[in-house]
Amino acid sequence: SQKIEQNSEALNIQEGKTATLTCNYTNYSPAYLQWYRQDPGRGPVFLLLIRENEKEKRKERLKVTFDTTLKQSLFHITASQPADSATYLCALDIIDGGFKTIFGAGTRLFVKA
Amino acid sequence: EAQVTQNPRYLITVTGKKLTVTCSQNMNHEYMSWYRQDPGLGLRQIYYSMNVEVTDKGDVPEGYKVSRKEKRNFPLILESPSPNQTSLYFCASSPLALNTEAFFGQGTRLTVV
Repeated sequence: SQKIEQNSEALNIQEGKTATLTCNYTNYSPAYLQWYRQDPGRGPVFLLLIRENEKEKRKERLKVTFDTTLKQSLFHITASQPADSATYLCALDIIDGGFKTIFGAGTRLFVKA
Repeated sequence: EAQVTQNPRYLITVTGKKLTVTCSQNMNHEYMSWYRQDPGLGLRQIYYSMNVEVTDKGDVPEGYKVSRKEKRNFPLILESPSPNQTSLYFCASSPLALNTEAFFGQGTRLTVV
């Protein structure tokens, strides 16, 4: 069956450290992979998009890697801050008789001051 | 301001009473979609629309209808709501179906009793 898995447990880290979130998928061949941030009671907000032929993408303190052989993406936040505390969602753009975006359940990140 | 607007934000209704959740975007985006978000399941796509008069089913379309008569509007219709449709609903739009970020609305929390 097709599925996307993100760290099921919440991630707790100390301010200033690097947070690493994992997104694994099976039986999909995504054209693109995206990461979103979601705060409680709010809609997701786009962070980064990486294409299947790209290995790594960076934006300020954020870095995403995409390994289509391992079927895995890693999302890093360097020099983390309490304001980075949120839920982070991984999403796959797939072509499956149409154009769909499939989301993971998300990982809750807590950054302690 | 570029945005996706959903209404209402909160709705409590009774089983079987038809309702419509509106979604409007002011960015001239071609692609729009509806998601529901449930604890532990993440965002699941209900319906999507590639353009005016072009709609297609997502992963969980049962019990829902949509229409896309104008580019900016994409209402979600529940003809006969049931308690299992109690959820948090998000509308999203993007310039294209793939390879672009999605902009999400603020969400509609629906309770069916």
